[in-house]
Amino acid sequence: DQQVKQNSPSLSVQEGRISILNCDYTNSMFDYFLWYKKYPAEGPTFLISISSIKDKNEDGRFTVFLNKSAKHLSLHIVPSQPGDSAVYFCAASGASGTYKYIFGTGTRLKVLA
Amino acid sequence: NAGVTQTPKFRILKIGQSMTLQCTQDMNHNYMYWYRQDPGMGLKLIYYSVGAGITDKGEVPNGYNVSRSTTEDFPLRLELAAPSQTSVYFCASLHDSSYEQYFGPGTRLTVT
Repeated sequence: DQQVKQNSPSLSVQEGRISILNCDYTNSMFDYFLWYKKYPAEGPTFLISISSIKDKNEDGRFTVFLNKSAKHLSLHIVPSQPGDSAVYFCAASGASGTYKYIFGTGTRLKVLA
Repeated sequence: NAGVTQTPKFRILKIGQSMTLQCTQDMNHNYMYWYRQDPGMGLKLIYYSVGAGITDKGEVPNGYNVSRSTTEDFPLRLELAAPSQTSVYFCASLHDSSYEQYFGPGTRLTVT
């Protein structure tokens, strides 16, 4: 049972345009969500996060939106740059203080120059 | 700070052999984790630890063992390697003042 789903395995976007990566979850007890970026042959690196008490968090070119009623979050990258080409994972944390994460299967973003 | 380091980077094992994947962090993080990533899949939690002397199972613990004798080290032991354990293994750490996990570079393991 996949509790965190990223239904788009890949996405191609033109440089300068907006990239939108989506993530759905099934467990309403999740209270913290994170996005990680992963380059080939490297470990994932933290990108941005959002608490379930918020519906938006912004950090430079990256914005994460959370729709709790739809159990959906999205990552917006504006403007997209070739260096953003990577695999993006969303992750969800369970009850507060557990620090255990469930990861989605990832979306491979390719930004075309 | 070196962050999270993992050794080895690559390893090929024969079926039935054993090995230990090493993980060390120098950030004084209390939480440490082992994940595996299979092709086209997300990261699956194998084991985690909330501090020295305390470990707990994750989603896919079968075939693995861990120990946490110090804050810095969290080795993962494979006792009887099987082809199903062919994967990329990532170690991560976290301080409970933040939700952000720091990952090591990974160990690519092939069992034939």
